[in-house]
Amino acid sequence: QVQLQESGPGLVKPSETLSLTCTVSGGSISSYYWSWIRQPPGKGLEWIGYIYYSGSTNYNPSLKSRVTISVDTSKNQFSLKLSSVTAADTAVYYCARGTGVVESWGQGTLVTVSS
Amino acid sequence: DIQMTQSPSSLSASVGDRVTITCRASQGISNYLAWYQQKPGKVPKLLIYAASTLQSGVPSRFSGSGSGTDFTLTISSLQPEDVATYYCQKYNSAPFTFGPGTKVDIK
Repeated sequence: QVQLQESGPGLVKPSETLSLTCTVSGGSISSYYWSWIRQPPGKGLEWIGYIYYSGSTNYNPSLKSRVTISVDTSKNQFSLKLSSVTAADTAVYYCARGTGVVESWGQGTLVTVSS
Repeated sequence: DIQMTQSPSSLSASVGDRVTITCRASQGISNYLAWYQQKPGKVPKLLIYAASTLQSGVPSRFSGSGSGTDFTLTISSLQPEDVATYYCQKYNSAPFTFGPGTKVDIK
């Protein structure tokens, strides 16, 4: 059973870059798509983007100018960078396996944007 | 981009009731639709994919139907453990937009 675990700072200052890493255990990162999804407190789910293990990516157009997702197959990890953050980027960030059919999710990590 | 809507936004029903949630896409998405359940404070869980295929381990009281632009999630007999917010998600093409959610609780 694959497990995913997000890690990274829980507090980011406005205008800075949010950086999170997802470590995959119990299976290989190869041959799958991997996604980032976020959920502002008390609100719904927003798909951020995905990466294939080969490195190809697809991002939500609403965030595309600020998002970079990368993969490190040697570490079985993939990462999210979101630049120029504002308070509107405060959310629980989930990493997940899959794209439109997400079977496995990390526990989620709350990232607060505040000075 | 295709927009997803859900109705109702919330509902309250009695244990044993049949509950139906509707999801509508602004353009046709064939059957590329998934349903997720998110219990309070928990991670979303995949219930149904391809509009009507039940994910392994999901109780059979859950069912999905629809194609094109209109989809439904039905709980045939509502149980206390079904209290949750339910989201639909399109995945015919990126962006894989979620619906706004339907909150279900017990009357």
